[in-house]
Amino acid sequence: QKEVEQDPGPLSVPEGAIVSLNCTYSNSAFQYFMWYRQYSRKGPELLMYTYSSGNKEDGRFTAQVDKSSKYISLFIRDSQPSDSATYLCAMRGGIKAAGNKLTFGGGTRVLVKP
Amino acid sequence: DAGVTQSPTHLIKTRGQQVTLRCSPISGHKSVSWYQQVLGQGPQFIFQYYEKEERGRGNFPDRFSARQFPNYSSELNVNALLLGDSALYLCASSNGLAGGGGEQFFGPGTRLTVL
Repeated sequence: QKEVEQDPGPLSVPEGAIVSLNCTYSNSAFQYFMWYRQYSRKGPELLMYTYSSGNKEDGRFTAQVDKSSKYISLFIRDSQPSDSATYLCAMRGGIKAAGNKLTFGGGTRVLVKP
Repeated sequence: DAGVTQSPTHLIKTRGQQVTLRCSPISGHKSVSWYQQVLGQGPQFIFQYYEKEERGRGNFPDRFSARQFPNYSSELNVNALLLGDSALYLCASSNGLAGGGGEQFFGPGTRLTVL
């Protein structure tokens, strides 16, 4: 079983809809949680960076972390065709745990249709 | 400010050859990490370097090696290339204290094809 599970999709939504993405994980040592957006054949772009449980909002993006359930989510409001990409969740332990190593999910491909 | 830069953009090699990939971190960042991303999968951690010292190593064979220079740029070397080494190689830089923590920002990657 993988440490981080993510539905590969594709997830197809109409323009303007809310995109809902999530990841589950098994390692209780994870403390920092990230979401990256990756366009085809490009490097991942950091969208959200959160610590421990709770919610964080940045523009159209909202990240939620529920450590008790080992479950994280990303919501994209008012989706646009330019949001069509692969979304990767990533996580790591505290500073003393394995340095900077990020453990990624496999990514969810999202398609926003005009 | 420039982001993370990587070179070359693309590489085609044959089995058994050796390859060197290069990365320059964001100005002021002292930590560089390398990841391998096979098509259709998430990135897998290979190495982390901070202040020229290896701080972390992923589950990759000894054919993979890296180093960091005084200006914090880094090289990833892969010897005796296998078909399975074909992937996008990503470099990430961060400014976390003592080499840990902090947000990681990725470069555009080097796409390696092994024939």
